[in-house]
Formats: sequence, C-alpha cells, structure tokens
Amino acid sequence: GAVVSQHPSWVICKSGTSVKIECRSLDFQATTMFWYRQFPKQSLMLMATSNEGSKATYEQGVEKDKFLINHASLTLSTLTVTSAHPEDSSFYICSARGGTSFTGELFFGEGSRLTVL
Amino acid sequence: QKEVEQDPGPLSVPEGAIVSLNCTYSNSAFQYFMWYRQYSRKGPELLMYTYSSGNKEDGRFTAQVDKSSKYISLFIRDSQPSDSATYLCAMSAGTGGFKTIFGAGTRLFVKA
Repeated sequence: GAVVSQHPSWVICKSGTSVKIECRSLDFQATTMFWYRQFPKQSLMLMATSNEGSKATYEQGVEKDKFLINHASLTLSTLTVTSAHPEDSSFYICSARGGTSFTGELFFGEGSRLTVL
Repeated sequence: QKEVEQDPGPLSVPEGAIVSLNCTYSNSAFQYFMWYRQYSRKGPELLMYTYSSGNKEDGRFTAQVDKSSKYISLFIRDSQPSDSATYLCAMSAGTGGFKTIFGAGTRLFVKA
C-alpha cells in the first residue's frame, strides 16, 4: 500500500505558541489530503480537506485561522495549530488517497500527538 | 441518525474465535467500503478495501458488503491477541476529494 509519513509523532508546547505538523506521501502523489482530529476512545473527526495548490476546505465548526493548512506540493501538506491552547491537545492524523484517482481507499500517517501545557 | 453506525464495543473474545464486526449506513451513494485497524496511539492501517457489493478475502480476514441492506461486515478467523485493536469501518461515495465517513470504531480484545 501507499505510504504516508507524518512528523512529528509527538510534540509538547507551551500555551500561545504555534505548532506545525507535516504530512508527506512518500511513494505517490496526493492531490488531496485530509486532516483529522481524534480524542481518546473516539473516532476520527474530519477537520479539513487539503487540496494541492488551492485553499483547504474546512468542516463546519473548525476555525480556519486556528488550524492553518498548506498543501504546497503533491507530496506535502502541513497543519499549523496557531496560538495553541490546552484544549487543542489531541491526536492529529493526516491521510491521502493512494495510487491512482480511481481508488477510494485512504492511507493514514502515523499521527501526531499534541500536548499543550 | 448518523450516516454510519458502528457498535463501539468493547468486544472480548478468546484466542482462536471467529470475530464478526459490522456497520450499517444510510447513504445509498456509498460505493467504496474500507476496514481499518488502529492500535492505541497509532494512525489507522488499511485492512480491507471493497468496491460495491460482494465479498473479499485476505488471509484470516473477510469483508462483506450488502448494499441492498446497507450493511457491511468484517470477519476475523482464528483471532489472535495481536488482533486486539480498534476496528473502524469507513465508506465513501467517490474518489478524489470525496469525504470518507468513519464509524465510531469497535474495540476488540482477544484473550490468550
């Protein structure tokens, strides 16, 4: 299957700082990537759809200015949590559709655990 | 009503048992059906992928899709303690930018 790499896997930061998480498709080009947030023992909550070369599409209730998404190339999307607060502490996961555009399966990164003190 | 319904469990079985995991859905436009396994504090790992109705088998895993009933299943034969994880069903109406909708995930424990 296709490989998606996410970095960092774990980050601790102080309240008020910004944190950037990278998501890379290692062996395929991903025109579309997705960013999810997951709370303990809960399912994945889609935050936004990241499109290469254009603005991300955010889900209802997700603050665009808080969670900045950039998809500058076909293999890299970044999520920046700006002015992070303790309530932003969560597990953030990216995904991309692998291989050709004719398949529907998503491949996920390893996830990034953010802890805001 | 949620688009995808999945019993969160937990489901506890003895080693060697056959496990049946299920999801129901309401959107008849869904065509792509997936099962993911997620270990604690890790990203989901794709287990099975099915397009439209039918069965698909891969080793100890069998995925079934019944679009007429809007019901999908994942069977795990000869379950092992290493199968203990959360299993998420997922489905999508299309490829590209189409959203994938996830079930809540079923926590499975296989006891040695």
